[in-house]
Amino acid sequence: DVKVTQSSRYLVKRTGEKVFLECVQDMDHENMFWYRQDPGLGLRLIYFSYDVKMKEKGDIPEGYSVSREKKERFSLILESASTNQTSMYLCAGGRDRAFNEQFFGPGTRLTVL
Amino acid sequence: AQKITQTQPGMFVQEKEAVTLDCTYDTSDQSYGLFWYKQPSSGEMIFLIYQGSYDEQNATEGRYSLNFQKARKSTNLVISASQLGDSAMYFCAMREASGTYKYIFGTGTRLKVLA
Repeated sequence: DVKVTQSSRYLVKRTGEKVFLECVQDMDHENMFWYRQDPGLGLRLIYFSYDVKMKEKGDIPEGYSVSREKKERFSLILESASTNQTSMYLCAGGRDRAFNEQFFGPGTRLTVL
Repeated sequence: AQKITQTQPGMFVQEKEAVTLDCTYDTSDQSYGLFWYKQPSSGEMIFLIYQGSYDEQNATEGRYSLNFQKARKSTNLVISASQLGDSAMYFCAMREASGTYKYIFGTGTRLKVLA
């Protein structure tokens, strides 16, 4: 059974803190993605990676960075958390083919106070 | 530019009845894939069904089927014989074969199945 895991289901941080969200997949998938989900806005792509050490900006990369040192792990970093980054964060993995579905982790609900 | 539109923020359906969730898309590519996902209250996104732009037949997976109308750029999800467990958010998504590896998602439709 394929699996994508995220380090935390719930996280509370303070404004200005550096925040790390970790995602691990056991599917040997080339591609990994980070989204944020907000009510009424659907899923918006923050960053994605199509190979180790490779990354591409998504639609809303400002305030975020990513790291992919190993194929199975994709980290999202909030350099200095702000209250407008309070959201649900979803990680996904997928094959490097156009018509394959993504597999999602359970999500991390981040609150920045 | 790619775009996905889901115009129904919320829907109600009686248990055991069928329901159709709408999705329209915009792309200039000839080759693309269309996906539907379900998100229960637990939060995890679950893949339901896929339609390729060159598929001549509408996709079906158990109680899920797609009404794919390429000329109208729509791919509506039909859930037959609704069950209480179908209550969830449903997202439509698209990925073009050319260019980037990005998937584009709609804003979702919240479905509530009534007993």
